[in-house]
Amino acid sequence: GQSLEQPSEVTAVEGAIVQINCTYQTSGFYGLSWYQQHDGGAPTFLSYNALDGLEETGRFSSFLSRSDSYGYLLLQELQMKDSASYFCAVRDRFNQGGKLIFGQGTELSVKP
Amino acid sequence: GAGVSQSPSNKVTEKGKDVELRCDPISGHTALYWYRQSLGQGLEFLIYFQGNSAPDKSGLPSDRFSAERTGGSVSTLTIQRTQQEDSAVYLCASSLEGVQETQYFGPGTRLLVL
Repeated sequence: GQSLEQPSEVTAVEGAIVQINCTYQTSGFYGLSWYQQHDGGAPTFLSYNALDGLEETGRFSSFLSRSDSYGYLLLQELQMKDSASYFCAVRDRFNQGGKLIFGQGTELSVKP
Repeated sequence: GAGVSQSPSNKVTEKGKDVELRCDPISGHTALYWYRQSLGQGLEFLIYFQGNSAPDKSGLPSDRFSAERTGGSVSTLTIQRTQQEDSAVYLCASSLEGVQETQYFGPGTRLLVL
């Protein structure tokens, strides 16, 4: 089976940098995705890492270490609008169709 | 359409009644997924359709839950004899074939079973 662990809550101030960690266990790892969900809204795709290293998209970056079964989402120059829940998700090659399994989410609160 | 649409946006029903939730995926997306999200919780996978292949129903919590996808497009999730614990937001997502990592979600249907 699969399991993912991420912190339940993170608080940071506007302009700061925050890192949201995700550790996973799968029987056949394929890749790690990150999604953002504002309160009452739908999840939206942020990034995907299949290979080790850092992927940068504007203020957001995502990192993966396959050997450590670990990844993180890095948010820079935090803005109030970044307050949301962030979910990591893994795709397991041994699951039929490689469906995504989501973590429980990290609620990020950005304070002024 | 421009995005994934779901209807109704809200549904209140009485315990024991059946409900049908509808999802219209993005045009051209062959993969369609249903998830359930309880308040403050993560996304619980329910069912996955990919093209003409047999659906992956491994996430359906009981035989009261079923889903179909007609013509490779619109999907309906049916919950029979609803229970109070079925109250949640039901989210539908779609993706291109082979790109399950990038899913596009609809706004969800908020189901409340009284």
